[in-house]
Amino acid sequence: QKEVEQNSGPLSVPEGAIASLNCTYSDRGSQSFFWYRQYSGKSPELIMSIYSNGDKEDGRFTAQLNKASQYVSLLIRDSQPSDSATYLCAVNGGATNKLIFGTGTLLAVQP
Amino acid sequence: NAGVTQTPKFQVLKTGQSMTLQCAQDMNHNSMYWYRQDPGMGLRLIYYSASEGTTDKGEVPNGYNVSRLNKREFSLRLESAAPSQTSVYFCASQRDRYTEAFFGQGTRLTVV
Repeated sequence: QKEVEQNSGPLSVPEGAIASLNCTYSDRGSQSFFWYRQYSGKSPELIMSIYSNGDKEDGRFTAQLNKASQYVSLLIRDSQPSDSATYLCAVNGGATNKLIFGTGTLLAVQP
Repeated sequence: NAGVTQTPKFQVLKTGQSMTLQCAQDMNHNSMYWYRQDPGMGLRLIYYSASEGTTDKGEVPNGYNVSRLNKREFSLRLESAAPSQTSVYFCASQRDRYTEAFFGQGTRLTVV
């Protein structure tokens, strides 16, 4: 079992729709959870961080964390073509200090 | 304030050659990481350093060595490059496990 798992996609949504991206992790002691966006040929950049159960909203983005289910999600409302990118879920482990990434989900927003 | 700086940006090596990828951060961060990224594989952790003076293996350490030279610098060495090491390499730094990691611009390495 991989430490952080994501559906690789591609996830295709029409412009203006809600995109839902999901991530599961294996280390129950994990304390920090991050969503990064990566455009082709570029470095990853942080979109959201979340540390406690529940929802965290920032503009069009909402991160959701459920530690009991070991599940993190990212919702993107009013999706725009400029949101088309790979979205990477990252988890900071509890037992060690390493930052582990999932394989990423490719999102394509259709105009 | 440059953030995380990686050198070089591009490199072509012949099989068996050695090289060192350099990474430096100016944010006084404690943790530093080396990842490789291959199509469909996401970011795979090669080595990390939780603090100055410590290094630990990640998921794919074979064929690599690292040095945490000081708090600012974390280098990755390929002793005898193999075609399987063709990849994009990213260095990242993080203040602590609760904060975001910042990435360098990446090094595109091709081993022929």
